[in-house]
Amino acid sequence: DIQMNQSPSSLSASLGDTITITCHASQNINVWLSWYQQKPGNIPKLLIYKASNLHTGVPSRFSGSGSGTGFTLTISSLQPEDIATYYCQQGQSYPWTFGGGTKLEIK
Amino acid sequence: EVKLEESGGGLVQPGGSMKLSCVASGFTFSSYWMSWVRQSPEKGLEWVAEIRLKSDNYATHYAESVKGKFTISRDDSKSRLYLQMNSLRAEDTGIYYCTGYRYAWFAYWGQGTLVTVSA
Repeated sequence: DIQMNQSPSSLSASLGDTITITCHASQNINVWLSWYQQKPGNIPKLLIYKASNLHTGVPSRFSGSGSGTGFTLTISSLQPEDIATYYCQQGQSYPWTFGGGTKLEIK
Repeated sequence: EVKLEESGGGLVQPGGSMKLSCVASGFTFSSYWMSWVRQSPEKGLEWVAEIRLKSDNYATHYAESVKGKFTISRDDSKSRLYLQMNSLRAEDTGIYYCTGYRYAWFAYWGQGTLVTVSA
């Protein structure tokens, strides 16, 4: 199975900051990487697919990059509504696997 | 508006069985791959099972942890997805989400149904 390692596991930042979350795959997944946002008490929602493509309706302050084994999710100009846990997921091969999550808090 | 609504969760004893159902609306169900994804504090998000399209002969894939215990199926005429779960164990406890997608990323999610395996 492809292991997905996210870092950091938690992050505290100020409103207006730019933050970066990283996701490392245990083997080459090309660009088959997606990011999800799960707000407290809510369901996961797709943010980015194929490493860098913004899903419909996702604000442009979210961006993704990377290929192969290293990927990043960047949130610029942090807003209060960005408080959530963020997960990466690989779609290169079965079983589809998720990272352990990064919990984002506002200072 | 896309909607996925799960049902069938609840409390079940270890070794028991349970069948989850998910009804879809707002998109062409028969054109979407469907999966069950579960979430627990211990394991986080975990993909469980997938079923593809009629054109793929409804090919299925399973996580190793549920292979032989769980069966995913779909009824395109009713826009319904199912998960038959047998030989349930405590580690199967979690929120089970129905998801719909066309490639390898989960675009649509239901609200989830809680399955608790406990004596």
